[in-house]
Amino acid sequence: EVQLVESGGGLVQPGGSLRLSCAAPGFTVSSNYMSWVRQAPGKGLEWVSTIYSGGSTYYADSVKGRFTISRDNSKNTLYLQMNSLRGEDTAVYYCARDGWELLGGIYGMDVWGQGTTVTVSS
Amino acid sequence: QLVLTQLPSASASLGASVKLTCTLSSGHSSYAIAWHQQQPEKGPRYLMKVNSDGSQRKGDGIPDRFSGSSSGAERYLTISSLQSEDEADYYCQTWGTGIRVFGGGTKLTVL
Repeated sequence: EVQLVESGGGLVQPGGSLRLSCAAPGFTVSSNYMSWVRQAPGKGLEWVSTIYSGGSTYYADSVKGRFTISRDNSKNTLYLQMNSLRGEDTAVYYCARDGWELLGGIYGMDVWGQGTTVTVSS
Repeated sequence: QLVLTQLPSASASLGASVKLTCTLSSGHSSYAIAWHQQQPEKGPRYLMKVNSDGSQRKGDGIPDRFSGSSSGAERYLTISSLQSEDEADYYCQTWGTGIRVFGGGTKLTVL
């Protein structure tokens, strides 16, 4: 079964760091475009970062320079290293896969994890 | 700038149909979008991709009650024969090179 399983969330003080993990039993992370998306309490979905299969990485302006997306091919796992955390980073963080097909290209984020909660507070 | 606009709320009666709208920003009317459903206290669930020509590609297991269409810069999600479990937040999403964008979401209430 294709699924995504996030872990690593928790309570961290402002200015602190946290690393989120996303395991992908059922498919190969490195062969896909993978993203992190977050949802602050009571708010909508916000794109955070994407890594392409070729290794290129992209970030929302709100996290650029503070967050780093990466993957470990041997563990088939996606990561999000979050540094210099702020209160506004408090959210549920989801990892997601871009569905892709040869004819039509990307068709949207077709697989989502269950989310992991990050709380930034003193 | 690539932006998606959705009305914050919609409502319809049990068994009726509802059409949700997602509007692409100026200059981006050729973009495809995806629709996602988020039921209360759950993670998002992929529903379908809707192309500018109105063609769609549904996710696995998505009922026929859910359909997509397009007109100009607008992309639609129509849900027919509304059921109580359709009460959820619905987000549209699009993409470009190095960017992913979400609409603000529409909260659907089933009366």
